[in-house]
Amino acid sequence: AQSVAQPEDQVNVAEGNPLTVKCTYSVSGNPYLFWYVQYPNRGLQFLLKYITGDNLVKGSYGFEAEFNKSQTSFHLKKPSALVSDSALYFCAVRDMRGTYKYIFGTGTRLKVLA
Amino acid sequence: DTGVSQDPRHKITKRGQNVTFRCDPISEHNRLYWYRQTLGQGPEFLTYFQNEAQLEKSRLLSDRFSAERPKGSFSTLEIQRTEQGDSAMYLCASSPPTGGWEQYFGPGTRLTVT
Repeated sequence: AQSVAQPEDQVNVAEGNPLTVKCTYSVSGNPYLFWYVQYPNRGLQFLLKYITGDNLVKGSYGFEAEFNKSQTSFHLKKPSALVSDSALYFCAVRDMRGTYKYIFGTGTRLKVLA
Repeated sequence: DTGVSQDPRHKITKRGQNVTFRCDPISEHNRLYWYRQTLGQGPEFLTYFQNEAQLEKSRLLSDRFSAERPKGSFSTLEIQRTEQGDSAMYLCASSPPTGGWEQYFGPGTRLTVT
């Protein structure tokens, strides 16, 4: 069975500091991994994905994520946080073996303090 | 590219009534998904269409729920005999025919069952 865990409901970080939003997953086969962001009163927006290849993937707005197969993690990172990064972040996984179903985490609220 | 659109944006209905929601994906996207999202949770997968074929349905999709995509373009999600537990945001997303399966989400339809 597939599952995704986002262990932190909220992450607070000061503007200009690096940020990390954590995600761990469980799948039977090879995973496709995604990060989405939801700003207030707006729909979910795609940030970045890992399909195959380099473990470090870069996405929109300066975000990046590192795929770690041994730790089954896909943490979202940014070197220098902006107040405008404050939003709700969702990690999602799809097991590439035998299903089109995506599992989303419960979300992590990022608050960047000026 | 006008994005994924959903109609209506809000629906209030009485318990026991039937409701139907519409999703118009991005024009060249042949992959279409429906999700349900409740407060404090990530999107829950309901169903997946590739062109007009419904290739996967979640067990969450009880016999009161049905989805169609008759011509491989827009899709409808119908809920019959609504219950208060059906109150949620219903999200539609689409993906292009090639590439890495990232999804582009619509703004959602918020259903309130009274």
